[in-house]
Amino acid sequence: KNEVEQSPQNLTAQEGEFITINCSYSVGISALHWLQQHPGGGIVSLFMLSSGKKKHGRLIATINIQEKHSSLHITASHPRDSAVYICAVRKRGGADGLTFGKGTHLIIQP
Amino acid sequence: DAGITQSPRHKVTETGTPVTLRCHQTENHRYMYWYRQDPGHGLRLIHYSYGVKDTDKGEVSDGYSVSRSKTEDFLLTLESATSSQTSVYFCAISASLGDSNQPQHFGDGTRLSIL
Repeated sequence: KNEVEQSPQNLTAQEGEFITINCSYSVGISALHWLQQHPGGGIVSLFMLSSGKKKHGRLIATINIQEKHSSLHITASHPRDSAVYICAVRKRGGADGLTFGKGTHLIIQP
Repeated sequence: DAGITQSPRHKVTETGTPVTLRCHQTENHRYMYWYRQDPGHGLRLIHYSYGVKDTDKGEVSDGYSVSRSKTEDFLLTLESATSSQTSVYFCAISASLGDSNQPQHFGDGTRLSIL
C-alpha cells in the first residue's frame, strides 16, 4: 500500500469551479508539500505545511495531523490551473527526501 | 526561480553504456536530491546528499551511484544503463534538514531513454 494516497487521480472541471484535491498519508511526518507540475514537466513547490492552513492567491492548503489528511483547494479555477498536483511528505525519523503521491491530473475547461 | 541546472536535458543511449547526469546549483544549498519519475509510480528518491562528500541511498538506489565533490554539483551515474532506467530524472535542492523544514526546489528534469 502506498504511504501517500491522492484522490481523485483525474479531475475535469469548468472554469470558475471550486476545486478540492485530497491527500492521505499513513506515516509520521514532519512536513507535507504540495507541488504543481505543468505539461512542460517543470515542478514547482506550492506549499509546505506541518499544521493548520496556508493561502497563496487562489490556492489554499490545509492539513489535519490527527487524521493524517491534507487538502488543496483552488478557488475560481482557471484553465491555466490545469496541471498535475502532487502531494509529498517528509517522513519523520526516516531518510531525507520526500515520499510522493502519484499526483492528480487536473483539467480546467473554459 | 532557484538556480538549478540539469544537464543534459535529453539523452538517448544504449543498454550497457555508462551515463552521467549533472545537477548544478547556484543557491549554495546544503542538500541535494536525485529523483526519478515514472508513469504509475510518481516521483521516487534515488540518492541524496547532505554535504560535500556526504551522500546516502534513497528508495530506488540500485544501479545508481552519486558523487558530490563541490557544494554546487551533484552527479548521478548509471554505471551500465538498463532499459528499466529509462525515466525522467529530477534534481532538487533544499536549504535545510531536520525539523527546520524548507521547500525543495526542482530542476527542469532530464529525459533519459535507454534502448
